[in-house]
Amino acid sequence: GQQVMQIPQYQHVQEGEDFTTYCNSSTTLSNIQWYKQRPGGHPVFLIQLVKSGEVKKQKRLTFQFGEAKKNSSLHITATQTTDVGTYFCAGKEGMRFGAGTRLTVKP
Amino acid sequence: NAGVTQTPKFQVLKTGQSMTLQCAQDMNHEYMSWYRQDPGMGLRLIHYSVGAGITDQGEVPNGYNVSRSTTEDFPLRLLSAAPSQTSVYFCASSYTTKGGSPLHFGNGTRLTVT
Repeated sequence: GQQVMQIPQYQHVQEGEDFTTYCNSSTTLSNIQWYKQRPGGHPVFLIQLVKSGEVKKQKRLTFQFGEAKKNSSLHITATQTTDVGTYFCAGKEGMRFGAGTRLTVKP
Repeated sequence: NAGVTQTPKFQVLKTGQSMTLQCAQDMNHEYMSWYRQDPGMGLRLIHYSVGAGITDQGEVPNGYNVSRSTTEDFPLRLLSAAPSQTSVYFCASSYTTKGGSPLHFGNGTRLTVT
């Protein structure tokens, strides 16, 4: 079945540094979704990408969907302590989640 | 709107016991699903439903049953709990699966099986 791999598993950064998490699928995706889960919380939808090569921005967050629609990335510029949490990508209309990247930020 | 409501928040079971995790949504969403979350493994789909009366298996269905008698409710049943079912369980709903639709998650149920 379709596998969604996400790296890195953990990332610890100093506040103000950038952060990137990568998501790769074994098969072509019709769309990809990104979620954020704060510690002790539940996943919250961030964005959905649908088109090949699509780039979307939300303030300091930049989301990209690869040309082949098999990979995606989330980049956070100048991290803040409020960015702490685990970021998940999901393919197949949310049926396949990556393992997540846990981001910690040192003030 | 309350969104997606899960009960209970915490539960401890002994091996072999049965229980039902409740999930209800008030957004008139077609699609509902159950996930389990284990450290380092992300969210894995257990069962899902695309509408009342329709359910299907996800990635890890063994040991779990579901039913969808109404649009609003999607309970998850553990027939005979095992320690391997110790996990955090999330229920989620979305308007539709066609073309992708954001998933709305409940607050989760932390289950421990001893």
